[in-house]
Amino acid sequence: DQQVKQNSPSLSVQEGRISILNCDYTNSMFDYFLWYKKYPAEGPTFLISISSIKDKNEDGRFTVFLNKSAKHLSLHIVPSQPGDSAVYFCAARGLSGNTPLVFGKGTRLSVIA
Amino acid sequence: DTAVSQTPKYLVTQMGNDKSIKCEQNLGHDTMYWYKQDSKKFLKIMFSYNNKELIINETVPNRFSPKSPDKAHLNLHINSLELGDSAVYFCASSQGLATGANVLTFGAGSRLTVL
Repeated sequence: DQQVKQNSPSLSVQEGRISILNCDYTNSMFDYFLWYKKYPAEGPTFLISISSIKDKNEDGRFTVFLNKSAKHLSLHIVPSQPGDSAVYFCAARGLSGNTPLVFGKGTRLSVIA
Repeated sequence: DTAVSQTPKYLVTQMGNDKSIKCEQNLGHDTMYWYKQDSKKFLKIMFSYNNKELIINETVPNRFSPKSPDKAHLNLHINSLELGDSAVYFCASSQGLATGANVLTFGAGSRLTVL
């Protein structure tokens, strides 16, 4: 049962353009959403997050949008840079501290110079 | 100085063997986790310990036994290894229980291959 879905396994974008990575979730009890970035042979590293009480959070080139009614969030990277090439994981958690962080399968982003 | 370190990074072993993966964090975090990334690339929680106390155990076979000698260490011991145990195992830690903005810091992963 996939509670967090990233339906695009890969995405290629030209350098300088916008990258949009999408994520859907099924559990309405999720109240916090995070994006992690992973390079080969490394662990995932935290990128940006958003609380369910917000619909947008921005940090430099990275913006996360949340549409609660659609149970959908997206990560926008603009402008995209070659160093952004990595696997991006969407993750979500509920209110309780005993609720584990649930991850999607990831989307591999390739930024082409 | 690595924040969350796992050893070994690679482990190749035969079915039926017993093996351990060690994890240490120097961040002063109270909570540690083991996640498994299988061939389908899902990252799934296995265990979570808060101040050496088990708080999450997600339907993992009892061949897997985590041990937390202190809050800076969480080791994973696997008995009677099976082919399906082949995966990358990630250790992580967080300051307190993972609620809200509390971010997990991951280790680099330990790739286990069972032949």
